Amino acid sequence: AQKITQTQPGMFVQEKEAVTLDCTYDTSDPSYGLFWYKQPSSGEMIFLIYQGSYDQQNATEGRYSLNFQKARKSANLVISASQLGDSAMYFCAMREDSPEYGNKLVFGAGTILRVKS
Amino acid sequence: AAGVIQSPRHLIKEKRETATLKCYPIPRHDTVYWYQQGPGQDPQFLISFYEKMQSDKGSIPDRFSAQQFSDYHSELNMSSLELGDSALYFCASSRDGLQETQYFGPGTRLLVL
Repeated sequence: AQKITQTQPGMFVQEKEAVTLDCTYDTSDPSYGLFWYKQPSSGEMIFLIYQGSYDQQNATEGRYSLNFQKARKSANLVISASQLGDSAMYFCAMREDSPEYGNKLVFGAGTILRVKS
Repeated sequence: AAGVIQSPRHLIKEKRETATLKCYPIPRHDTVYWYQQGPGQDPQFLISFYEKMQSDKGSIPDRFSAQQFSDYHSELNMSSLELGDSALYFCASSRDGLQETQYFGPGTRLLVL
């Protein structure tokens, strides 16, 4: 079974509007971390935001917020006030904290976001 | 702030050749991870090192080997290269390796002809 599922292969958003990128995950480990990374066309992988499984509040970093719904196993990324520079591939990733999983990240298939002017 | 450094940024090799990719982690980061991202794919974990010891191993071919040195930099050695090894290879680093964010380098783009 897929550990990370991103159901939106591509999304369009109008500049200055908000957009939500979906991510669901599957784990039986009670301790885990969820991450979002941005990959522009240049290829680098840029860390955006992190949510720990025991965090009570949703993470926020500037225009990025993570809508964490633990019971539904979802960790959606919300980008507010979209900018043209937000156009990129966005990956959701999970790290399971049990020793048997190591500390590796498991990625979803990604969502391509295009911001329209 | 200092970031992860990878060299070379681009590499072209022929089949059956060898390649060595280098990674210099963020200062005071002691854990290094290697990921492989094929065209149109998500990154796949290859191998990781914590305090110069291998800490986890993923889908790394036997033709590949890696190590972490005393200064914490890491090298990924790839032998008998195949066309399918063409990919973007990322190194990431974190502090302590436990529940810490992994920061990625810019990647090495390898093309095998």
